[in-house]
Amino acid sequence: GENVEQHPSTLSVQEGDSAVIKCTYSDSASNYFPWYKQELGKRPQLIIDIRSNVGEKKDQRIAVTLNKTAKHFSLHITETQPEDSAVYFCAALSGGYQKVTFGIGTKLQVIP
Amino acid sequence: GAVVSQHPSRVICKSGTSVKIECRSLDFQATTMFWYRQFPKKSLMLMATSNEGSKATYEQGVEKDKFLINHASLTLSTLTVTSAHPEDSSFYICSARVTGTSGRRSYNEQFFGPGTRLTVL
Repeated sequence: GENVEQHPSTLSVQEGDSAVIKCTYSDSASNYFPWYKQELGKRPQLIIDIRSNVGEKKDQRIAVTLNKTAKHFSLHITETQPEDSAVYFCAALSGGYQKVTFGIGTKLQVIP
Repeated sequence: GAVVSQHPSRVICKSGTSVKIECRSLDFQATTMFWYRQFPKKSLMLMATSNEGSKATYEQGVEKDKFLINHASLTLSTLTVTSAHPEDSSFYICSARVTGTSGRRSYNEQFFGPGTRLTVL
């Protein structure tokens, strides 16, 4: 089955700086890679996603890059704000049931 | 985006009792729903895939007789934790999968319910 590794597990940045979270996946058949933001005690919310036919996608301060050859993808948050503080999960979709395999999560803390 | 509700949001029960959690897609039909379990400060672990009208597909290590899943309609899936024990205490989250096409673009997204905090005494 799919195996998704995510790092770092925790990340502290100063407000205004950039944050980068990296993930690798094992199943070359995976073709959809969403990123979720989960605030404490709340449900995961999709913030951005990328498909395997695209190398980069950007939405305002958030961008995701995908390297299919190396099987890794990254989340980039620029000009971080305190409200960006949360746990971020990367994920990969694979298999006939299109089940999602999540990374372990990265706790991002933006220091004002 | 699509709305998924979950009920109850919190439940406290005695050891040995059974607890049913409902997951509903409110404004769309979901042929596939997923049930996850999340331990404190941990990632989401997929427990099972629930398909409308058929048996659920359980992940390795998940006891299907312990966690009963019923996907009776296109908008409702239920998870019943049978004979609950303190180690079953966790945050349970469902999600509903939405697929389709919009013009040339195809999409395949999951929308999560708010979760159910189960505490077994």
